[in-house]
Amino acid sequence: AQSVTQPDIHITVSEGASLELRCNYSYGATPYLFWYVQSPGQGLQLLLKYFSGDTLVQGIKGFEAEFKRSQSSFNLRKPSVHWSDAAEYFCAVGASGTGTASKLTFGTGTRLQVTL
Amino acid sequence: NAGVMQNPRHLVRRRGQEARLRCSPMKGHSHVYWYRQLPEEGLKFMVYLQKENIIDESGMPKERFSAEFPKEGPSILRIQQVVRGDSAAYFCASSPPLRRVGDEQFFGPGTRLTVL
Repeated sequence: AQSVTQPDIHITVSEGASLELRCNYSYGATPYLFWYVQSPGQGLQLLLKYFSGDTLVQGIKGFEAEFKRSQSSFNLRKPSVHWSDAAEYFCAVGASGTGTASKLTFGTGTRLQVTL
Repeated sequence: NAGVMQNPRHLVRRRGQEARLRCSPMKGHSHVYWYRQLPEEGLKFMVYLQKENIIDESGMPKERFSAEFPKEGPSILRIQQVVRGDSAAYFCASSPPLRRVGDEQFFGPGTRLTVL
């Protein structure tokens, strides 16, 4: 069974500082990995995804993530955080393929607080 | 192109009543997923449906919960005889009809159910 671990429940960074949110996954084959962001009271917005190819993927809002198979990790990074990045971030792994169920398994999330 | 729509956004029910949550997928999408987010937790997969078919309901509680996605109209998640433990945010997601590697799911804003 697939699983996702986000070891940091809550992270606080200063505006302008760099950010790295950790994500470790467990999956038997090549995973399909996603990072979503959720603002308070809102739905989820996709930041970026990885399913093959270049292990460094670029997303929206200046975010990037690197897939490291040897470490089973897919950490999210941003070089300079803005106050508007304060939100909850979820890493997810999906089993995908034509004709198969494609449910996502989410981590428990990391709440990011940005101080001015 | 409107996104995934869910209504109501907020729903209050007393114990023992029924809750009906609706989800209209994005135009052209025929795959719908339901997830539940309990307070301070990540999203948990409940059910995956295509038009008139339940594909994967491995995450659905065995009793009181049901889902449908009729040929016409929105997908419905129905909870009978609600209990306080059903209080959560329920998110719907949709994806295009041809499942491809890496296809993302587009999430709605969620329905926040409160059981008194």
